[in-house]
Amino acid sequence: AQKITQTQPGMFVQEKEAVTLDCTYDTSDPSYGLFWYKQPSSGEMIFLIYQGSYDQQNATEGRYSLNFQKARKSANLVISASQLGDSAMYFCAMRGSSGGSNYKLTFGKGTLLTVNP
Amino acid sequence: DTEVTQTPKHLVMGMTNKKSLKCEQHMGHRAMYWYKQKAKKPPELMFVYSYEKLSINESVPSRFSPECPNSSLLNLHLHALQPEDSALYLCASSRRQKGLAGGTDTQYFGPGTRLTVL
Repeated sequence: AQKITQTQPGMFVQEKEAVTLDCTYDTSDPSYGLFWYKQPSSGEMIFLIYQGSYDQQNATEGRYSLNFQKARKSANLVISASQLGDSAMYFCAMRGSSGGSNYKLTFGKGTLLTVNP
Repeated sequence: DTEVTQTPKHLVMGMTNKKSLKCEQHMGHRAMYWYKQKAKKPPELMFVYSYEKLSINESVPSRFSPECPNSSLLNLHLHALQPEDSALYLCASSRRQKGLAGGTDTQYFGPGTRLTVL
C-alpha cells in the first residue's frame, strides 16, 4: 500500500519569501513517481512538478523545486519568491509502477498556503 | 498544450434527473480518469480508462456510469443521484503509452464540474 503524509494543514508566507511544503511517503514499489499539484479556489488541479524515484537530481520548474531525500522518504516542495497568486491548496501525490498502483495517484491531505502581501 | 476541458462547469440536478458530464482532451493521451472531490479533501479516484477500455472501477455505485466513446472523450452519466453525491468532479488524462513506467505517467486535470444534487 502507498501512503502520502502532509503534516501542515495550513501555511502562511510573506510575499517574495520562500516557503517549503512538507511531504513524506511510504511505498513498497521499486520505482515510483512523486508529483505536486496546486489547486486554487477555482478547483482546477494544476500539475507543478514531478520527481522520479531513480532521478539523481532534484526536479526544478521555474520557481518550484522538489527537495527529494529518498532515504528519508521525503519530497518537499520549495516555492521561491512567493506571489499572491500562489495562495492555494497544494497536494503531494505518488504513483507506483506495479499492479494496481500503476494507475492510481495516491494523494496527501493537502496544505493550504496563504501568501500575505 | 496540456489542456483537458470539462463541461458543464456547474450542474444542479434533482434526484430523479439524468445528466451527463463531458471531458475532452486532444493531447493523444490514452488513459482517462474520473475523480470525485469533496470540499477540503483530496480527490478520490472513481474510474480509469486505458486505451478506451475500463481498467479500474473503484467500487463506484451504479448510479454513476462512465463511457469512453473514443480516445479523446470521456463521459460520466448520472442517474438517481443522492445529495451526498454533490462534489467537484474532475477529469484527468495521461499518456499511458505501452511500456511507459507507471511512475512517470503524469496526469493532467481539467477544471472540474461542480455538481449539486438537490
